[in-house]
Amino acid sequence: GNSVTQMEGPVTLSEEAFLTINCTYTATGYPSLFWYVQYPGEGLQLLLKATKADDKGSNKGFEATYRKETTSFHLEKGSVQVSDSAVYFCALSARNAGNNRKLIWGLGTSLAVNP
Amino acid sequence: NAGVMQNPRHLVRRRGQEARLRCSPMKGHSHVYWYRQLPEEGLKFMVYLQKENIIDESGMPKERFSAEFPKEGPSILRIQQVVRGDSAAYFCASSPPGGLNEKLFFGSGTQLSVL
Repeated sequence: GNSVTQMEGPVTLSEEAFLTINCTYTATGYPSLFWYVQYPGEGLQLLLKATKADDKGSNKGFEATYRKETTSFHLEKGSVQVSDSAVYFCALSARNAGNNRKLIWGLGTSLAVNP
Repeated sequence: NAGVMQNPRHLVRRRGQEARLRCSPMKGHSHVYWYRQLPEEGLKFMVYLQKENIIDESGMPKERFSAEFPKEGPSILRIQQVVRGDSAAYFCASSPPGGLNEKLFFGSGTQLSVL
C-alpha cells in the first residue's frame, strides 16, 4: 500500500545550521509529494510540493527534490532560524480504491531551533 | 479573506457526553476533510465530505462518530458518549471544488479533552 516514513524527531539545531529531514515513500503509480508545516498552536500549512520525478519544490528557503530512484523527498534548508521551529509533515497524494486522490501522511518531525 | 474556521478551540467534556466540533471551510471551498492528531500517532484521516455527501469515511470509527456537511452551514463532527481515548486535536481542512484535492487549507483545530 501507500505509505510515508519520516525521520523521527525531535530535531534540535542552532540558528544558521543546515537542516535535513528525511522522508521516503512507498506508492503505486505516480504520486505527488508534499511538505506541510505546523507552527505551535496552528493548523498545517502547505510548505512546498512536487508533482513528478526530479521536480524541486521550494519555499521560504526550504527545498525538496522528488527522487523516484530512491523514493525520497528529503526536506532541506541551508540556514535555519528560530522562527522555523515547528512540526514538519511529509505527505503523498495517490489514488485510493475509489479512485479519489488521498493524502497519506508521515508522523511528523518536530524541529526546535535555538538562538 | 477568512481561512478555515474551527470552533471551539478547546472543548472539555466528561465521559459519556457528546462533543460537537464545527468547521467552516474557506469561501468557495466545497470539500471538507477531518483529521485527528495524537502525539504518538501523527495525523490520521477520518472523513472526506462534499456538500451533503460523505465521499470517504474510511478513517471514521464505526461507532459513536459521525460527520455531516449540510447544504447550508458548517461541517459538524459529532462524537457521542465520549471516552478518554477521544481526547485529541481534531483538524478540519478544505479544498476548492473540482480540482486537486491535495492542497489543503487547515483550520487551527479543536483540542478535545475528555475528563
